[in-house]
Amino acid sequence: DQQVKQNSPSLSVQEGRISILNCDYTNSMFDYFLWYKKYPAEGPTFLISISSIKDKNEDGRFTVFLNKSAKHLSLHIVPSQPGDSAVYFCAASAAQKLVFGQGTRLTINP
Amino acid sequence: DTEVTQTPKHLVMGMTNKKSLKCEQHMGHRAMYWYKQKAKKPPELMFVYSYEKLSINESVPSRFSPECPNSSLLNLHLHALQPEDSALYLCASSQLAGGPSDTQYFGPGTRLTVL
Repeated sequence: DQQVKQNSPSLSVQEGRISILNCDYTNSMFDYFLWYKKYPAEGPTFLISISSIKDKNEDGRFTVFLNKSAKHLSLHIVPSQPGDSAVYFCAASAAQKLVFGQGTRLTINP
Repeated sequence: DTEVTQTPKHLVMGMTNKKSLKCEQHMGHRAMYWYKQKAKKPPELMFVYSYEKLSINESVPSRFSPECPNSSLLNLHLHALQPEDSALYLCASSQLAGGPSDTQYFGPGTRLTVL
């Protein structure tokens, strides 16, 4: 039973364009959502988060959107840079537990 | 500063060995976590400590034994592990376990290989 799903295992985007990563969840009890960036053999690095009472949060090039009725969130990166190439995990939090999606590998092409 | 440190970076152990993983944070966080991550999979929660007390054990086998000596330190004692326990073990900390907008910050992980 996968409570957090990232349906796109990989995404390739041209440098300078917008990258959009998507995430769906099933548990209505989740009240906080986060995006992490991960390089191989390293720990996840926190990028940006959003509380369930908001629908948008922005931090520099990163914006997260939350659609509670659809149980869907997305991460927008604009403009995309080569250093953004990594695996991105969506995570959802409830009752002290953080549940991760399967990850999306983002590749930024020059 | 959002640094969580973990030692060792790599560990190779036999199935009869006893070893320990260590995690440290100096952010004043009161919750600490252990996760296990297998290749090409997301991190999976193992244990949660809140105010130095074990609050969540995700049905982890007893060959994994966590310990929280103080609010800055978290250990994971390993004994009689199996080859399938080989994985990246991640430690994380957060300001207040389960509180609203409680962000977990992760360490770099320990790459464990069980022979």
